[in-house]
Amino acid sequence: DTAVSQTPKYLVTQMGNDKSIKCEQNLGHDTMYWYKQDSKKFLKIMFSYNNKELIINETVPNRFSPKSPDKAHLNLHINSLELGDSAVYFCASSQVIGRAFFGQGTRLTVV
Amino acid sequence: DQQVKQNSPSLSVQEGRISILNCDYTNSMFDYFLWYKKYPAEGPTFLISISSIKDKNEDGRFTVFLNKSAKHLSLHIVPSQPGDSAVYFCAASEAGANSKLTFGKGITLSVRP
Repeated sequence: DTAVSQTPKYLVTQMGNDKSIKCEQNLGHDTMYWYKQDSKKFLKIMFSYNNKELIINETVPNRFSPKSPDKAHLNLHINSLELGDSAVYFCASSQVIGRAFFGQGTRLTVV
Repeated sequence: DQQVKQNSPSLSVQEGRISILNCDYTNSMFDYFLWYKKYPAEGPTFLISISSIKDKNEDGRFTVFLNKSAKHLSLHIVPSQPGDSAVYFCAASEAGANSKLTFGKGITLSVRP
């Protein structure tokens, strides 16, 4: 009974493809996030949703589109994948300020 | 523009000794600070936090110290255990910033048996 689960764990795809990463949390949290960890290991926020409403969008290319069908799910769709999109993407959720619970990550490799 | 800095990429300590992990920040609006621990192929897990109104918070073997005037915090682990070997991320957030966390780039701690 994983608290924050994201699928797939690994994703290898070609440039130009469209792919989605799914995230679900069973913690009853109101806020969900997508973070990106790049090759330099920095963890940077991409998006945040609170009760299905987008509240943070950190200058992410519009090829990235988050979708929250309900407050337990926050999916990430990426169009026209580029080599530079290769990274580990983490989904997270929180209720208490700052104390986010993270999924195991999705390692995306664009070839 | 790194607002949270962990300048040492790695630290190696002997089992049983103290590990001290340092973190500096530049944004004076940060008022809540956290440490996360990350094992390979897993997501970060929350370890300990501290509010800006405090200068110390302790939880078992883990203590976080905050020096607001120096914009510096540190995580002390004592005694260190081999299972503590992981990457440790310092993170910070501003009040009313929808709980967005700004992370440092992490420090790899190795605890030698």
